[in-house]
Amino acid sequence: EAGVAQSPRYKIIEKRQSVAFWCNPISGHATLYWYQQILGQGPKLLIQFQNNGVVDDSQLPKDRFSAERLKGVDSTLKIQPAKLEDSAVYLCASSLGLAGGLAYEQYFGPGTRLTVT
Amino acid sequence: AQTVTQSQPEMSVQEAETVTLSCTYDTSESNYYLFWYKQPPSRQMILVIRQEAYKQQNATENRFSVNFQKAAKSFSLKISDSQLGDTAMYFCAFIQGAQKLVFGQGTRLTINP
Repeated sequence: EAGVAQSPRYKIIEKRQSVAFWCNPISGHATLYWYQQILGQGPKLLIQFQNNGVVDDSQLPKDRFSAERLKGVDSTLKIQPAKLEDSAVYLCASSLGLAGGLAYEQYFGPGTRLTVT
Repeated sequence: AQTVTQSQPEMSVQEAETVTLSCTYDTSESNYYLFWYKQPPSRQMILVIRQEAYKQQNATENRFSVNFQKAAKSFSLKISDSQLGDTAMYFCAFIQGAQKLVFGQGTRLTINP
C-alpha cells in the first residue's frame, strides 16, 4: 500500500514570496490533515479536511495561509506572503475518517522542510 | 482543552538497555485514544503503538510496550533491548472523539553503541 506522498521535500524562499505544498493521501482515506512542525516542537494541526469539507481550521493563519482539497483526494497548502516564522516542516497526514475506533489512526507523509530567509 | 506533557526533552541509553519515556495528559473525557509516534532524522512520523482508553490491558508491539495508568492520566512507553535504529524523536499524542490529535513536545532518544 502506497503511503502519503508530499512534494517538494525541501523549499527555500525569501520572505514575502509565495510557496505551495502538495499532498496525496493514502487511497480511500477520507480525512486529510496539514500540520506545522517548528524545530524542537510537536506538530500543530493547521487544517483538517473530511472529504472536500473543512472540519477544523481554527489554527490556520488565514491572512496568509490557504488550503484546498479538490475532489476529496489531493490537497495543496499555500503560504502568501511568507514570513520568517513560517520556517518549519509541513506534514501531511491522512486517516480513514471519523467513523470511530482505529479510523482515527493517522498516517504521515515525509514532510516538506520550508526555510524562509 | 486536552494537553499532553512529555517531561523528558532528551534521553540517552546504551544499546540493548531498556528505556522508559514518560507522558502525561489532561482530559475530562473517559473514552479516547493514545499513541506513541517515532520520528527519525528522516522526518517520517511512524506510529509505534496505540492504546484505547477503554481497554485495561496495556498494549505491546514486539519490543515496545506501554504502561497506561488511566486514573493517573499517564501513558509511558518502554523500549526493551534498545537498538541503534530506535534513535529518534518520540511523540506522545492524544485524540478524543472527532477532535484533533494533540502532540506532546517530544523526547529525543539516542541509543549509543
